[in-house]
Amino acid sequence: AQKITQTQPGMFVQEKEAVTLDCTYDTSDQSYGLFWYKQPSSGEMIFLIYQGSYDEQNATEGRYSLNFQKARKSANLVISASQLGDSAMYFCASRGGYQKVTFGTGTKLQVIP
Amino acid sequence: KAGVTQTPRYLIKTRGQQVTLSCSPISGHRSVSWYQQTPGQGLQFLFEYFSETQRNKGNFPGRFSGRQFSNSRSEMNVSTLELGDSALYLCASSWPPGEVDNEQFFGPGTRLTVL
Repeated sequence: AQKITQTQPGMFVQEKEAVTLDCTYDTSDQSYGLFWYKQPSSGEMIFLIYQGSYDEQNATEGRYSLNFQKARKSANLVISASQLGDSAMYFCASRGGYQKVTFGTGTKLQVIP
Repeated sequence: KAGVTQTPRYLIKTRGQQVTLSCSPISGHRSVSWYQQTPGQGLQFLFEYFSETQRNKGNFPGRFSGRQFSNSRSEMNVSTLELGDSALYLCASSWPPGEVDNEQFFGPGTRLTVL
């Protein structure tokens, strides 16, 4: 079984500043994947970034980077140079082999002009 | 390539009725998963289908069922609707199935309101 914990229900960040969204996970799988999704108010889930459990380097995708600390079981999302369009719900998720994706409760990010 | 499509986008039903939601995955994707999203419970996994077979199932009552057709399109059905079934139902497709790193592509969702 897998469990994802996102302890920040809501976050504010000033436009152009960086922000870190926290995510910790618990899994008994040896191989697993960690994902971050963005959900705007329209409802659609948008894939942002992926980190594999065996990847030694932190994943980066444009302004998104994933701070992966395997020993601490954390997979924090860092958004650099925040934009107004980044205001949304952000979900951390995990997937083990042949298993369903498990989502955290999400963090609502609001970017302030 | 067209994305995941879900129909209808919005639905209003009354208690006791049944409803069928449809999901067409990305062309070539053969794995389809369904999720229920509510403010109280968050995103919860319903079931996953691959090659017309249900591979995984979440903790939902038997009123929730699904199926997948040979063209990978999937439907989910909820019978005897309850007020608590009001939610955003999301469908996601992926390929290949079972790999930890295969991203799921989500559709826009169907927002179901039960009155």
